[in-house]
Amino acid sequence: DAGVIQSPRHEVTEMGQEVTLRCKPISGHDYLFWYRQTMMRGLELLIYFNNNVPIDDSGMPEDRFSAKMPNASFSTLKIQPSEPRDSAVYFCASRPSGGSYNEQFFGPGTRLTVL
Amino acid sequence: GENVEQHPSTLSVQEGDSAVIKCTYSDSASNYFPWYKQELGKGPQLIIDIRSNVGEKKDQRIAVTLNKTAKHFSLHITETQPEDSAVYFCAATDPLGGGGGNKLTFGTGTQLKVEL
Repeated sequence: DAGVIQSPRHEVTEMGQEVTLRCKPISGHDYLFWYRQTMMRGLELLIYFNNNVPIDDSGMPEDRFSAKMPNASFSTLKIQPSEPRDSAVYFCASRPSGGSYNEQFFGPGTRLTVL
Repeated sequence: GENVEQHPSTLSVQEGDSAVIKCTYSDSASNYFPWYKQELGKGPQLIIDIRSNVGEKKDQRIAVTLNKTAKHFSLHITETQPEDSAVYFCAATDPLGGGGGNKLTFGTGTQLKVEL
């Protein structure tokens, strides 16, 4: 299995631009998570999906952030417009259902820099 | 909500020595405590976890202990090797607090360096 795939691995953009991060979860995994990692705030859960449906988006910082999961094999996290404080590493993770505490498998992350 | 504190933030040990990382949590309802290892440029990877009905769990050189009364848990790495150098994160989750155990609250991480 290729694991969780994220693209791009690095993104540099200018303030005000739209940014779209992409994730392909592990095949067969019913849960998908988006995290943000910064030095100041550590690893934070932004939103997670179950069977393509958003379950909890309470971690999404503001309306500039949106996430979609149109099918079981693809999800996007969009920031519009982007701001310098959005600079961080964004991780996607997935896990299978069938238990209360299954391991979350993380992708390699997308390092976003907003100038 | 849950709050997880982790110490120390950096830890340097000699190869072969033991390393201990400690975490405390605030929500007494939390009952699942995973530990993740993050190598440079990679995503976190689960290395061991423990549930609240167990006081200790061991997997080769790695062990985790849990004290529910004191609300703290620790990661122990014995016979450390250079490849153990990484950032380690503890986490906690409460299945009743929303998400059925999906909403992990992470500690701030410990940078472990194993020196030759």
